[in-house]
Parts: sequence; C-alpha cells; structure tokens
Amino acid sequence: DARVTQTPRHKVTEMGQEVTMRCQPILGHNTVFWYRQTMMQGLELLAYFRNRAPLDDSGMPKDRFSAEMPDATLATLKIQPSEPRDSAVYFCASAEGAKTYEQYFGPGTRLTVT
Amino acid sequence: GESVGLHLPTLSVQEGDNSIINCAYSNSASDYFIWYKQESGKGPQFIIDIRSNMDKRQGQRVTVLLNKTVKHLSLQIAATQPGDSAVYFCASTGRLYNKLIFGAGTRLAVHP
Repeated sequence: DARVTQTPRHKVTEMGQEVTMRCQPILGHNTVFWYRQTMMQGLELLAYFRNRAPLDDSGMPKDRFSAEMPDATLATLKIQPSEPRDSAVYFCASAEGAKTYEQYFGPGTRLTVT
Repeated sequence: GESVGLHLPTLSVQEGDNSIINCAYSNSASDYFIWYKQESGKGPQFIIDIRSNMDKRQGQRVTVLLNKTVKHLSLQIAATQPGDSAVYFCASTGRLYNKLIFGAGTRLAVHP
C-alpha cells in the first residue's frame, strides 16, 4: 500500500529554533507539494517540485522557510528561525505524471512553536 | 482573484440518508474540479474529479455535479455512513495547472 510518509508527526519547539520536516513521496511520483493548514487560513500551498526542481515557492515566506529535494525519495521543509505564527499542520503531497490534481497527502507534521 | 468557497460550514445528516455538499468557484478557466475528504488527524484524501467539459461524474456512492453557468460544484454521497464523517474540500486547478485552489471545507456529521 503505497503512501506518503512524513516525519516527525509532532514537533514542539521554542521560538528561534530551526525546524526540519521530512517527506518521502510515493515511489514514482514526480511532483511533490508542501502545504500548511491552519484553522484561520485553511490549506495553503507553500511550494512544489517537479522532477526535484522547484517550480513555485511563491506561497512560502522566503526569509525563514526553505524547501529542497535532495533526491527523488526525500523532500525537506525547513524553518529558521521558527516563530509562534508558524504553528500549524504541514502536509506533504505527491502526484504522478500529468494528473497533478490527484494528490496523495501524507499524515502531516503538527508543529507547535512556543 | 481566484477563490473556491463553500456555502455551509457544517452539514448534519442521518445515517442512510443522502448528503449534498455544495461549493462555489470563481475561476472559469479551471480545467478540473476535485473533491477531497479529510478525516480527523489525517491528510486530505482524493475522492473524485470532474473535467470542466463534463457536467456529471459518478464514482462509488459519490456523484459530482458541475454547473458552469452558475459556477457551482456539488458532491452527492448516497446512503451516508458513519465513516463518511469528515471535512470535505472542493478544489479547482488554478491559473497554473499544477496548483490547486482549495475551498474552506464543509464538515459532514453523520448521526445514527
């Protein structure tokens, strides 16, 4: 049963600390998305990659967020320094080929910044 | 700008009844419209999509209707079950094909 995995599932950190979230997309999926979900803003697209190349990161605060795909099996999202307003659930999703609207989401990382 | 919104934040139905979840969209140029289901503590799950040149598509117990005249999308769930309790999001492909624009979500509560 192929699925997207994310680590850690939960992260509590103090303001100013670096946070790294990891995602393993479904094998064979060539498009990877990072989303943030909050009660106030709903689901927001932060960035996405196709064939490991960043295509759009316009939804991401550039000064503190960065996203990379070191290889086809790993996507990372880093926040440095973290702030309380970054508290949210961060989802990774992957999609195959041209059907990028059919996205498979991971279980999310719940981030709390105190 | 582009937006996808929902008429009702919460929908309560009796087990066995049919459910209808509605959604309004603003971008007439969207190629696809999609419904996702999110259960508590989980990531959204793809349910069904419909291409913009269609007005109806059926899946297993679900039907999606698209009315382009009034920019309205609906998801019908037949014989609603307790396992259908979740938040349902409509989404559309935005100006950039790869990007999805998600609506705010409707919570479906199924009562025995």
